[in-house]
Amino acid sequence: QQQVKQSPQSLIVQKGGIPIINCAYENTAFDYFPWYQQFPGKGPALLIAIRPDVSEKKEGRFTISFNKSAKQFSLHIMDSQPGDSATYFCAALSSGQKLVFGQGTRLTINP
Amino acid sequence: DAGITQSPRHKVTETGTPVTLRCHQTENHRYMYWYRQDPGHGLRLIHYSYGVKDTDKGEVSDGYSVSRSKTEDFLLTLESATSSQTSVYFCAISQREGNTDTQYFGPGTRLTVL
Repeated sequence: QQQVKQSPQSLIVQKGGIPIINCAYENTAFDYFPWYQQFPGKGPALLIAIRPDVSEKKEGRFTISFNKSAKQFSLHIMDSQPGDSATYFCAALSSGQKLVFGQGTRLTINP
Repeated sequence: DAGITQSPRHKVTETGTPVTLRCHQTENHRYMYWYRQDPGHGLRLIHYSYGVKDTDKGEVSDGYSVSRSKTEDFLLTLESATSSQTSVYFCAISQREGNTDTQYFGPGTRLTVL
């Protein structure tokens, strides 16, 4: 019940395309869903986050879509650029301020 | 980077030796966390702390211990390192932003156990 399942494991998209990364969860007590972006050799950095009372959130080229009834959420990157190539993690906040992470998606944007 | 530093940044050690990793923060955050990152597993919580001398176990705590004697320092100890503990270790803090507690991560420590 504490798991967050993320797919796909890897994704290759042409520049300007819209990569989509999906996550699913079981625990309905999760109440905060952040996405992290990680470049090689660096720590994960918060990208965007959403609460379950909102169905969509946009920040620049990044959008989270949230489906509470399906217990799924996804990250869309509009007009993707080679500089967006990184590993992306979804996560969910459980009790005690603990984050549960998905397995990660390695995204490559080809020029 | 939320004022988080980790030391050492890289370490190679041998099976059976003790290892201590240090996380230092400069902004007086109450919550601190240790995660390990392995391919195919994302980040998994090892231990966390919610105040000086207050710690609790995470998902993968076996073989690890922690201590927090000062607000700014959170230590992770491998009493007797094993090859399965070869990983990248990240420290994080939790920072209140509006009505949300957001976690920020340090730069990581790459540990290799031979």
